[in-house]
Amino acid sequence: DIQLTQSPSSLSASVGDRVTLTCRASETISNYLNWYHQKPGEAPKLLIYTAFHLQSGVPSRFTGSGHGTDFGLTITSLQPEDFGTFFCQQSYSTPPTFGRGTKVEIK
Amino acid sequence: QVQLVQSGAEVKKPGASVKVSCKASGYPFTNYHLHWVREAPGQGLQWLGMIRPGGGRPIYAQKFHGTVTITGDASTSTVYMEVNSLRSEDTAVYYCARDVQSGTSPGYDFDYWGQGTLVTVSS
Repeated sequence: DIQLTQSPSSLSASVGDRVTLTCRASETISNYLNWYHQKPGEAPKLLIYTAFHLQSGVPSRFTGSGHGTDFGLTITSLQPEDFGTFFCQQSYSTPPTFGRGTKVEIK
Repeated sequence: QVQLVQSGAEVKKPGASVKVSCKASGYPFTNYHLHWVREAPGQGLQWLGMIRPGGGRPIYAQKFHGTVTITGDASTSTVYMEVNSLRSEDTAVYYCARDVQSGTSPGYDFDYWGQGTLVTVSS
């Protein structure tokens, strides 16, 4: 199975900050990388699919990048509602796998 | 709008079975694959398997083959996921999730999720 390693595991940032999360795959996955946001007690919500495509209804402050094994999710201006955990997920091969997440706290 | 509504929380003893339902609405049920993903303490998110209710056999992650059974009922727009021989490590929140792609080939990208069903395995 393809392993996804996310960093950092957690961070604390202020409203308005630019935040970048990273996800590294154990082998090349082309651009088959998705990002989800999960708030406590809720289901994950799809933000970005195939590395950089913004899911309908998701604010434009979320930007995805990367190809191959290294990917990033940037929040250009952190908002109070962005607290929670961000997961990456690869859809290149079965089984689809998820990273362990980056927990974001708002200062 | 697209909705996936799951059945309520369950408490089971080790060795028992549990069956969780996921009722879909707001889209052509048979056109999209539905997946099952679980979130277990210390294990992160794990994909269990999927089914396309319009036809085709379910596909399972190798790890869960033989212990998880996924079925679908197009007449009620409902998908079911059953876990047999429960162990404490199966304590988790179980989610159903719709595939982004319609048609016969899944994309393994998940755009709509159920609210989650907590299954607790305890003696």
